[in-house]
Amino acid sequence: KQEVTQIPAALSVPEGENLVLNCSFTDSAIYNLQWFRQDPGKGLTSLLLIQSSQREQTSGRLNASLDKSSGRSTLYIAASQPGDSATYLCAVISGYSTLTFGKGTMLLVSP
Amino acid sequence: GAGVSQSPSNKVTEKGKDVELRCDPISGHTALYWYRQRLGQGLEFLIYFQGNSAPDKSGLPSDRFSAERTGESVSTLTIQRTQQEDSAVYLCASSLVSRGSSYEQYFGPGTRLTVT
Repeated sequence: KQEVTQIPAALSVPEGENLVLNCSFTDSAIYNLQWFRQDPGKGLTSLLLIQSSQREQTSGRLNASLDKSSGRSTLYIAASQPGDSATYLCAVISGYSTLTFGKGTMLLVSP
Repeated sequence: GAGVSQSPSNKVTEKGKDVELRCDPISGHTALYWYRQRLGQGLEFLIYFQGNSAPDKSGLPSDRFSAERTGESVSTLTIQRTQQEDSAVYLCASSLVSRGSSYEQYFGPGTRLTVT
């Protein structure tokens, strides 16, 4: 059974810092990995999707990497802003089509 | 274009009552998923639909939970005889295809269910 773990559970940084969120998964036979953002009381917003054949994806200040063999992904956020404050979720699709989610990293960026 | 929509956005119900939650996927998306997020816990898969194939119900927590989908459009998730542990945010997502595809899942805003 696929399990996804995210570290740290919570992170607080001052504005302008670069930061890294970590995600690990137990079954490396994945089809893709998605990073989402969830704001309080809101649904999920997809940030980046990395297909199993890819090593990384970039969107603006965000960069996500994938190392399938070691079962790890990182989300790098450059020059963090208060508006980046949210919960960041990592999810993978493996044997079935459904996403298996980690419990998330709650990020607070203070001005 | 319109994203995934869900209704109602909030629902408060008494223990023992039945509730219906609705999801309108993105037009053209053949795959539809229901997930649940209980307070302090990660998202849990409940059920998914792919075209006219039999739905994958492997995530439904009990026989009080059921879901239907009309063709490739609207889906309803029904919870019978609600219990307090059913209180959660119920999220719906859709994607172009499923079964190991690389297509992104797009999520609706969710329905917050509170069982009193």
